[in-house]
Amino acid sequence: GAGVSQSPSNKVTEKGKDVELRCDPISGHTALYWYRQRLGQGLEFLIYFQGNSAPDKSGLPSDRFSAERTGESVSTLTIQRTQQEDSAVYLCASSFRPTNEKLFFGSGTQLSVL
Amino acid sequence: DQQVKQNSPSLSVQEGRISILNCDYTNSMFDYFLWYKKYPAEGPTFLISISSIKDKNEDGRFTVFLNKSAKHLSLHIVPSQPGDSAVYFCAASNSGAGSYQLTFGKGTKLSVIP
Repeated sequence: GAGVSQSPSNKVTEKGKDVELRCDPISGHTALYWYRQRLGQGLEFLIYFQGNSAPDKSGLPSDRFSAERTGESVSTLTIQRTQQEDSAVYLCASSFRPTNEKLFFGSGTQLSVL
Repeated sequence: DQQVKQNSPSLSVQEGRISILNCDYTNSMFDYFLWYKKYPAEGPTFLISISSIKDKNEDGRFTVFLNKSAKHLSLHIVPSQPGDSAVYFCAASNSGAGSYQLTFGKGTKLSVIP
């Protein structure tokens, strides 16, 4: 596709339920990143994937959070036993190669935990 | 502990005038800085960046200035246009750490008044 695609765009869930968020990176982009933005805050790094290398999971806030990526394609971010503080916009980004330069972001998934 | 701070949550500027957005950082290991622009319901888009070996980078109407001794950077937009109205995020990274994490500020909402 032309850009990074994320689904769903909005997700409302009850506290304690599990949720899965999906990200389709730009074709040919080898690196994929997950960030989240809680209300009134900046973007927080969660996890980074590069090809078949071990992901950098250092930003995941708890063991309820996990993410997978198959090769250089789709990634899913899973949050188990959701809590109200997990409510945020979850943003996925990709880049052609690992970089701290410009990333291409998707529109995000707005997660609301009631 | 916020390592990247944008102390002005909002800024209003008249069309045609200069917009100056400020950003301060505390981590002296940061050596690469970026500005992203975000419209509502969209992901952030890359605007301009600067390496710590420079003190200025210009791209059309956008100029970023870096003052390493003060740990301060600013984004100048001149002349400002109504389409520039958006939230602007400052981000920083430590490329020497081999990490691809970006640390973001909370953002400044710019309103350009026609």
